[in-house]
Amino acid sequence: AQSVAQPEDQVNVAEGNPLTVKCTYSVSGNPYLFWYVQYPNRGLQFLLKYITGDNLVKGSYGFEAEFNKSQTSFHLKKPSALVSDSALYFCAVRGFTTSGTYKYIFGTGTRLKVLA
Amino acid sequence: SQTIHQWPATLVQPVGSPLSLECTVEGTSNPNLYWYRQAAGRGLQLLFYSVGIGQISSEVPQNLSASRPQDRQFILSSKKLLLSDSGFYLCAWSAGTAHEQYFGPGTRLTVT
Repeated sequence: AQSVAQPEDQVNVAEGNPLTVKCTYSVSGNPYLFWYVQYPNRGLQFLLKYITGDNLVKGSYGFEAEFNKSQTSFHLKKPSALVSDSALYFCAVRGFTTSGTYKYIFGTGTRLKVLA
Repeated sequence: SQTIHQWPATLVQPVGSPLSLECTVEGTSNPNLYWYRQAAGRGLQLLFYSVGIGQISSEVPQNLSASRPQDRQFILSSKKLLLSDSGFYLCAWSAGTAHEQYFGPGTRLTVT
């Protein structure tokens, strides 16, 4: 079965502290993994992706994510959180449709709240 | 640079009325196009995807249909709306299946 799990409904962190938003996945073959951010009443914005290569990928706004194949995880991280990082974060993996073509599977989202 | 447009931004429609939501992409050719519905500000449900003009695939049987009359135009339709069709509809495009998706601003649909 192909799926993405974001185990935390909400993550609270103090401004200036490091943040981690967790994601685990299940898909056959080599995973293509993505992180997106959504602000209220807006579309999703692409943050970063892992396709191949270095397990640590860097993206927009100072975010990075670490791919761990043995743990099937792709956690989103940032060394120092900003209040403006408060938003809804989605992890996604490339999966397959019923007809065998590709599609993207999204987690249920994690709301990040950065406290001043 | 590429841009994706969706309209209208908000829509309030009575039950049983028709629906037409439009999405257009600028600055790229032959994009993969997608329609999603997001309920209660959370998970995304893939409704339709298209890899080319006239090529539409549906992931979930429902009251909705999609069409792609031009390379960069994707339309979501319904003949008769249900209350359960309310939600936030997002259009997205990607340059290929190994690539990230870019989302439009969304349409908030309320069926009354």
